[in-house]
Amino acid sequence: KNQVEQSPQSLIILEGKNCTLQCNYTVSPFSNLRWYKQDTGRGPVSLTIMTFSENTKSNGRYTATLDADTKQSSLHITASQLSDSASYICVVSSYSSASKIIFGSGTRLSIRP
Amino acid sequence: GAVVSQHPSWVICKSGTSVKIECRSLDFQATTMFWYRQFPKQSLMLMATSNEGSKATYEQGVEKDKFLINHASLTLSTLTVTSAHPEDSSFYICSPEIGGPGGYTFGSGTRLTVV
Repeated sequence: KNQVEQSPQSLIILEGKNCTLQCNYTVSPFSNLRWYKQDTGRGPVSLTIMTFSENTKSNGRYTATLDADTKQSSLHITASQLSDSASYICVVSSYSSASKIIFGSGTRLSIRP
Repeated sequence: GAVVSQHPSWVICKSGTSVKIECRSLDFQATTMFWYRQFPKQSLMLMATSNEGSKATYEQGVEKDKFLINHASLTLSTLTVTSAHPEDSSFYICSPEIGGPGGYTFGSGTRLTVV
């Protein structure tokens, strides 16, 4: 069964600190993995997209990693800011027409001043 | 590129009435549009896939007569929630199929509250 599991479910950190969010998946055949940021009451906004051959991709203070062998990905946020408070969603795409994309349940991140 | 405009951003309606949500692609043509629903503290759930000029494909458990989807042009897809009930209150998001299967860019979402 194709699944995407994220951890932790929620996280609270102090402003300026770093954090790492995890995403494990069992999707096959794998096409790509994307991380999205979703502010409350808004649509998801893409942070990174990674294909099978990519191990690391950065977007400003966001750095995503992908281990296609263990089917794990992480999103590292450096020097967190209050505006980073949001839900972060891991989405895995499959080449299979039966299950095109699978959403993780997200990690709700709160940054405290 | 790939700008998606979704309107309205929020709407409150009475039970039994219908609400139309529009999703426009501003700088590209979207042959396929995905419609998602998101309940509080949950992830997005695919409701249906619309294709320009043909009938939409609905996911299991989604009533096609309740959630009417029209994709009459390559730049506009609409979702109409008919005879709305309080349990239809949710966050609805559109996503055109660009950048790969299943979409890549999302609309800003519509918060529907049925009272």
